[in-house]
Amino acid sequence: QVLLVESGGGVVQPGRSPRLSCAAYGFRFRNYPMNWVRQAPGKWLEWVATISDDGTNQNYADSVKGRFTISRDNSKNKLFLQVNSLRDDDTAVYYCARERDGGYFDFWGQGTLVTVSS
Amino acid sequence: SYVVTQAPSVSVAPGQTASISCGGDNIGGESVHWYQQRPGQAPILIMYSDSHRPAGIPERFSGSISANTATLTITRVEVGDEADYYCHMWNRGSDRRVFGGGTKLTVL
Repeated sequence: QVLLVESGGGVVQPGRSPRLSCAAYGFRFRNYPMNWVRQAPGKWLEWVATISDDGTNQNYADSVKGRFTISRDNSKNKLFLQVNSLRDDDTAVYYCARERDGGYFDFWGQGTLVTVSS
Repeated sequence: SYVVTQAPSVSVAPGQTASISCGGDNIGGESVHWYQQRPGQAPILIMYSDSHRPAGIPERFSGSISANTATLTITRVEVGDEADYYCHMWNRGSDRRVFGGGTKLTVL
């Protein structure tokens, strides 16, 4: 059974740099590209970043490029998102999602809420 | 950047047919996927590559695509179908994944 479990969220002060994690279970993690998607309260889904199955290629939304870094550890079946210089508009639920050939996201975690507040 | 647009809301009576559209320049040249999101829950994939249903998704859900519009159709709508629906695509030209703004389906 495929399971994705995010962690690392919480109340964070502006300017801080938390790292979000996503633990993967029930599938061969190293075979799949992975993504982070976020959703601000009451708002729509926003794609954040993608990383290739072997971790060598990353791609970012313009809104986070240069501030966020996606990475993975295939030996530990974990995906990460380093979030630097947090801003108020980064407040959102952050989801990790598995990507299949054709670009669709077939499994999602339950998300971790990051609230930027002083 | 590539933009896809969705109507903010659609309302339909139980038993009727709901059509949810996703517009974008030459969207017919891409693969479009659809997700259902109920309040407080993570999104669920309900259609991929324009018109393919994942296992467990009822046949009442179908997808189609034309030059500039992708459409999710739900027949015999049930109260349990009330949710937000998002289209999604990988715009290969810009190498960006893109979500539509979502459509809230209300079952009257």
